Amino acid sequence: DGGITQSPKYLFRKEGQNVTLSCEQNLNHDAMYWYRQDPGQGLRLIYYSQIVNDFQKGDIAEGYSVSREKKESFPLTVTSAQKNPTAFYLCASSIRQGHSGEQFFGPGTRLTVL
Amino acid sequence: GNSVTQMEGPVTLSEEAFLTINCTYTATGYPSLFWYVQYPGEGLQLLLKATKADDKGSNKGFEATYRKETTSFHLEKGSVQVSDSAVYFCALSVYISNDYKLSFGAGTTVTVRA
Repeated sequence: DGGITQSPKYLFRKEGQNVTLSCEQNLNHDAMYWYRQDPGQGLRLIYYSQIVNDFQKGDIAEGYSVSREKKESFPLTVTSAQKNPTAFYLCASSIRQGHSGEQFFGPGTRLTVL
Repeated sequence: GNSVTQMEGPVTLSEEAFLTINCTYTATGYPSLFWYVQYPGEGLQLLLKATKADDKGSNKGFEATYRKETTSFHLEKGSVQVSDSAVYFCALSVYISNDYKLSFGAGTTVTVRA
């Protein structure tokens, strides 16, 4: 079945540590996205990538980094510079052209900083 | 800019009650409109969409009509079930700078009691 996988589902990190969240898709989508979700709030865009080896900052990129070396993969690193990293992180993908902009989401990773 | 405003929750209903969640938007150009649903601990799933004025999206008994004159996309279901308990997000997509940008509302938590 085609879809988006994120791992791990739950992640715990000590303050001062970097941590990388995995996102893989087999939908052959060109564009991929990372969002952050906090309780009672909507989704905020962290980074997005339209093609391999290219990505752009979203609304809240500070303290995060990404890479897009393969079409299928878009890992997110939460660095120690992120002041409040505890949140639910969602990865999404979409067809880039000729579509309504609909995005497909993974199951999410819940990150807790201890 | 582009933004979505949706009804604040939480909303608590009895089974078989009528559900409506208001959503209004501000957008440049001609957005596509979406309703996403998020069940506890999961990612977002597309519930329905509409891509032009007067289109009606429908799925699983839910409906929403794209009203350009009132810039609205209200979600309705005639008879809810306990399994409809979830967070519902209204979203719009606009094509900007060679890519689609998705903007989300804050989400409305719906609880259906047996």
